[in-house]
Amino acid sequence: DAKTTQPPSMDCAEGRAANLPCNHSTISGNEYVYWYRQIHSQGPQYIIHGLKNNETNEMASLIITEDRKSSTLILPHATLRDTAVYYCMFYNNNDMRFGAGTRLTVKP
Amino acid sequence: DTAVSQTPKYLVTQMGNDKSIKCEQNLGHDTMYWYKQDSKKFLKIMFSYNNKELIINETVPNRFSPKSPDKAHLNLHINSLELGDSAVYFCASSPGTFRSGANVLTFGAGSRLTVL
Repeated sequence: DAKTTQPPSMDCAEGRAANLPCNHSTISGNEYVYWYRQIHSQGPQYIIHGLKNNETNEMASLIITEDRKSSTLILPHATLRDTAVYYCMFYNNNDMRFGAGTRLTVKP
Repeated sequence: DTAVSQTPKYLVTQMGNDKSIKCEQNLGHDTMYWYKQDSKKFLKIMFSYNNKELIINETVPNRFSPKSPDKAHLNLHINSLELGDSAVYFCASSPGTFRSGANVLTFGAGSRLTVL
């Protein structure tokens, strides 16, 4: 069973905000949500993580619902270079799987 | 300086051969990982070492043997290579483990293995 559920693909217009959702209903109270992305076949790149509160850094914002069962990654002004596969994940016990991710395509 | 470096970047070999992929991190991290990404693009964890101790050992054939001579290095040796071993192998490191709260992974650029 997948630990996380993400839409397989999304499009976004360049300069607009990209909102990428993720369901993680089995997450436990002390487990962080992490977002990574993979551009082409490069190594996955860390974006942001959070526990309960919303978080923001220079790359993105992370909105976590109050029940922590889902989150949304927001790229405020998407550029063509943000075209990538975006993964949300969390760790528990020995399980450090990545799901299938969302392929985000930013279009001019 | 590259934080997590893997060599070789590309490896083409025949079935039945034995090959190794090396990984080094200069971040001072305590934990290192090997992930496999197959043609369907799923990233699957294979192994993890924390301070040279094996802490994650997923269900992989015993032809795959990780070795960690020190906490900055984690090598992957593969015996008797099979066609299905063709994939991109990513090394990663992190400051702590899945038990230690926030634990961000830093990945290498990957090693593409092609078995003919």
